[in-house]
Amino acid sequence: QVVLTQSPSASASLGASVKLTCTLSSGHSNYAIAWHQQQPEKGPRYLMKLNSDGSQNKGAGIPDRFSGSSSGAERYLTISSLQSEDEADYYCQTWGTGGVFGGGTKLTV
Amino acid sequence: EVQLVESGGGLVQPGGSLRLSCAASGFTFSTSEMNWVRQTPGKGLEWVSYIGSGGMTMYYADSVKGRFTISRDNAKNSLYLQMSSLRAEDTAVYYCARGGAYPDYWGQGTLVTVSS
Repeated sequence: QVVLTQSPSASASLGASVKLTCTLSSGHSNYAIAWHQQQPEKGPRYLMKLNSDGSQNKGAGIPDRFSGSSSGAERYLTISSLQSEDEADYYCQTWGTGGVFGGGTKLTV
Repeated sequence: EVQLVESGGGLVQPGGSLRLSCAASGFTFSTSEMNWVRQTPGKGLEWVSYIGSGGMTMYYADSVKGRFTISRDNAKNSLYLQMSSLRAEDTAVYYCARGGAYPDYWGQGTLVTVSS
């Protein structure tokens, strides 16, 4: 079964950029993933689907400040020009024998 | 505008049952795959169950297999999760989410608390 690994926390300053990482387990480096954002006390929000070749399908209304990229088994979410509302938990997610979520990264701005 | 509104959560005793509902609007529900995902308070997301657009294909997480049943009524634009033999570890916020492998819209969730 595929496993997704994320760092528990990250921090960056207002106006700066941050790159979050999601690592696919061995043998699953060709899997696509999705990135979801969860602001405090809210339901998750789909950001994008990110393929192994780096191509991405963003959700409706997602700003250009959010972008994804891929390298081998790594899937990245880059957020530029950080704003206070970007402070949230970020989850990567894929599909194996069912839905699979990473443990999430808590971003502090 | 796509909307998913969950309901039916509440306090239930261990061993009890509960039925969650998700009312969908703003998109063609009958052609959409759907999922239930839960989140234990203060913890991460856990996928629970999937149902195909026609209601004939279902998948479950091992943690709920044999106890939970997902279903849908396309005429009512509604998704359901029947939960039985509930345990303390089923305590969570339950979200419905549109989509198959990569859900692209989520509801706000309904809280289920299993406690005596």
